[in-house]
Amino acid sequence: DAGITQSPRHKVTETGTPVTLRCHQTENHRYMYWYRQDPGHGLRLIHYSYGVKDTDKGEVSDGYSVSRSKTEDFLLTLESATSSQTSVYFCAISEAGSNQPQHFGDGTRLSIL
Amino acid sequence: EDKVVQSPLSLVVHEGDTVTLNCSYEVTNFRSLLWYKQEKKAPTFLFMLTSSGIEKKSGRLSSILDKKELFSILNITATQTGDSAIYLCAVEAWNNDMRFGAGTRLTVKP
Repeated sequence: DAGITQSPRHKVTETGTPVTLRCHQTENHRYMYWYRQDPGHGLRLIHYSYGVKDTDKGEVSDGYSVSRSKTEDFLLTLESATSSQTSVYFCAISEAGSNQPQHFGDGTRLSIL
Repeated sequence: EDKVVQSPLSLVVHEGDTVTLNCSYEVTNFRSLLWYKQEKKAPTFLFMLTSSGIEKKSGRLSSILDKKELFSILNITATQTGDSAIYLCAVEAWNNDMRFGAGTRLTVKP
């Protein structure tokens, strides 16, 4: 299994509070990604990073920000959580170069009440 | 708009049956198509396809891509209860954007 650790694994919080999810990898892969998974929508890309301090938006980036200050860590922040952001969040990593598949962490289940 | 459509959305079979899962796509700047298996937690990688007509195989699973007709199939022969899972199809573009289908939920009964 790819060395990916997501924390926390579960979180319940209230609307309007800030939330930060962490993805930590031990593979030294260049690319890191954040997805959310909701019933009927599959996985949707939120943001991704192609190196330290290099990030870009995905399909559903509104309401989310990311930071990558070290190769091994990619943080996803909800500045002011809303109930629509209740979801399961997955981090993924991949090596640089073409034909490199993404490998996923075990996910964080986030509930916003 | 880029999209990936999987069919059927769910499927129930008995052990020993053969199943075919479908994935069609409309994605700008196609780079590759990937299949994942998701049981309770993380999606796990099965196949990556980049060229038409070349079958990828792993045990009882196989997959092929048709870039002209914009679809892929995933075949599972002699199904087992351990094959029960959600199978996800994803298409990656050259700008690193990856679009997933909603998945096919496969249930294999003893």
